[in-house]
Amino acid sequence: EPEVTQTPSHQVTQMGQEVILRCVPISNHLYFYWYRQILGQKVEFLVSFYNNEISEKSEIFDDQFSVERPDGSNFTLKIRSTKLEDSAMYFCASSARMYQETQYFGPGTRLLVL
Amino acid sequence: AQTVTQSQPEMSVQEAETVTLSCTYDTSENNYYLFWYKQPPSRQMILVIRQEAYKQQNATENRFSVNFQKAAKSFSLKISDSQLGDTAMYFCAFMSMEYGNKLVFGAGTILRVKS
Repeated sequence: EPEVTQTPSHQVTQMGQEVILRCVPISNHLYFYWYRQILGQKVEFLVSFYNNEISEKSEIFDDQFSVERPDGSNFTLKIRSTKLEDSAMYFCASSARMYQETQYFGPGTRLLVL
Repeated sequence: AQTVTQSQPEMSVQEAETVTLSCTYDTSENNYYLFWYKQPPSRQMILVIRQEAYKQQNATENRFSVNFQKAAKSFSLKISDSQLGDTAMYFCAFMSMEYGNKLVFGAGTILRVKS
């Protein structure tokens, strides 16, 4: 069964460093999402992406964040200058269509900023 | 704003028994979708079941079924014949086109199935 994959599973970085989290969505899906979950808190929406453009972003998704689909398979989330409060689990998801469509999640990347 | 509330931080159930996880939500929308996702220790978020608000019939998937009460804005998950592999965090989530189609999650319920 097709699934969303994410790499790395864990990432430790120093505050101020750039990190890139990678995702490979399900191959025939066209809509991609990033969510994050700070330890002990709810899963929160960050951004949705379609046709090489951001469709929607949350207040969390400030100028420090960017997303890209560099090739036909990968979808990346970049954090330019990490802060301590960026420590969280980051989930990638994809769906075949935008509306009325189930989003399928990857296993997540646990990011720790020291 | 849409909110999703899961009032049970933790639940436990004996193997082979039935358990119900609660979820309530707040919305002014009429057309929306509700989901239960499971996150086992492996961390993969797995879709358990989905309910369209316009459907009166409760969704079922094998041992998993929902009790969808639209007027009460309640969406509980019933797991029958619980198995050890059901041990996981369960998230209730809401989505509507009017709200931008992003998922809004509850805080989650940890379910432990005991042998």
